[in-house]
Amino acid sequence: AQSVTQPDIHITVSEGASLELRCNYSYGATPYLFWYVQSPGQGLQLLLKYFSGDTLVQGIKGFEAEFKRSQSSFNLRKPSVHWSDAAEYFCAVASGSARQLTFGSGTQLTVLP
Amino acid sequence: DGGITQSPKYLFRKEGQNVTLSCEQNLNHDAMYWYRQDPGQGLRLIYYSQIVNDFQKGDIAEGYSVSREKKESFPLTVTSAQKNPTAFYLCASSIGRLDRAYQPQHFGDGTRLSIL
Repeated sequence: AQSVTQPDIHITVSEGASLELRCNYSYGATPYLFWYVQSPGQGLQLLLKYFSGDTLVQGIKGFEAEFKRSQSSFNLRKPSVHWSDAAEYFCAVASGSARQLTFGSGTQLTVLP
Repeated sequence: DGGITQSPKYLFRKEGQNVTLSCEQNLNHDAMYWYRQDPGQGLRLIYYSQIVNDFQKGDIAEGYSVSREKKESFPLTVTSAQKNPTAFYLCASSIGRLDRAYQPQHFGDGTRLSIL
């Protein structure tokens, strides 16, 4: 069965610093991979996705992620964090006939002024 | 604008009571999904539906029921058999069909269910 691991429960960075959120997945076939962001009390917004092709994908709000098959990883990065990036971030993999999503447990990002 | 509407935003349930959460989409998506979110556990799949009048159990379907009578609507009932229903519930939709280019799931803004 597929699984997603986000090893960091909580990360704190200063505004303007770089950010990397880790994600490791377990899935037998070529995965569809996603990063979503959630503000408190809200739904999930898609940041970026990887289906195939170029392993470095660009998303919204200045985020990017790199797919590394050899490491089963799909880490999210941003070169300079803004206070508005404070939120919870979820990595997910899609599988099955209905493309069900399996989510990681999330990483809570705090941004210090 | 197209999107997913969940209602109500907040819902309270008494012991032994069934409650129904609404999810409506106008994206013309075939597939719809219900997730439960608990702190520190990410999202877990309750039920999903790929087509009208058909639905499948997810990882934590016990104590829940759904229906899919219309393409646009996928209501979730939290029954009295669900002993720990307090959570944030999210509905999502996607194109979902294997014969069409895959598109990511879109999410509603959620319903927070609490026990009185």
